[in-house]
Amino acid sequence: KAGVTQTPRYLIKTRGQQVTLSCSPISGHRSVSWYQQTPGQGLQFLFEYFSETQRNKGNFPGRFSGRQFSNSRSEMNVSTLELGDSALYLCASQPGLVTDTQYFGPGTRLTVL
Amino acid sequence: QKEVEQDPGPLSVPEGAIVSLNCTYSNSAFQYFMWYRQYSRKGPELLMYTYSSGNKEDGRFTAQVDKSSKYISLFIRDSQPSDSATYLCAMKTDSWGKLQFGAGTQVVVTP
Repeated sequence: KAGVTQTPRYLIKTRGQQVTLSCSPISGHRSVSWYQQTPGQGLQFLFEYFSETQRNKGNFPGRFSGRQFSNSRSEMNVSTLELGDSALYLCASQPGLVTDTQYFGPGTRLTVL
Repeated sequence: QKEVEQDPGPLSVPEGAIVSLNCTYSNSAFQYFMWYRQYSRKGPELLMYTYSSGNKEDGRFTAQVDKSSKYISLFIRDSQPSDSATYLCAMKTDSWGKLQFGAGTQVVVTP
């Protein structure tokens, strides 16, 4: 079974721009979560989607948003980029409620200049 | 105070030694506990998952949970240089996502 895939793997943007990151979960998985990883703050939860509905949201400003499509693929968007948004953005998928484990993708490394 | 505390290390051990890692947490609502391994520039890889107090063994890995003390541990037996990575503890309160991570401990296994 293919793992979680994320595109693009690397991205360079400038302050004020917006960016969209994509995540394809493991086949059959219906829950997708997004995390931000930085050296200073570690791994922090952004939001979780299940069946196209946002289930949980972390403590991030409204510039961070996401959505999930009917095929479970998910996108996250960051608008008006700031230097502090430079991070590794990780997507994790989970089958649903039958089992509880999350599997991570390789991440998208975003650099904001 | 962070909900999950984990010593960032680095922890350096000789090949063949036992690696001992631990996390403490303050939120008694955490029910599900995981250990992930993350190599540089890669996504976290699930190593162990448990939801009850006690020990769980999988090959060279043993996860231990003590809910009364709010303390979890991971032991790696017969450590190898390929075990050099950052080990992250993670936990959550229900079966949905929203994992709360520790800071991660960098482990270096020297030949």
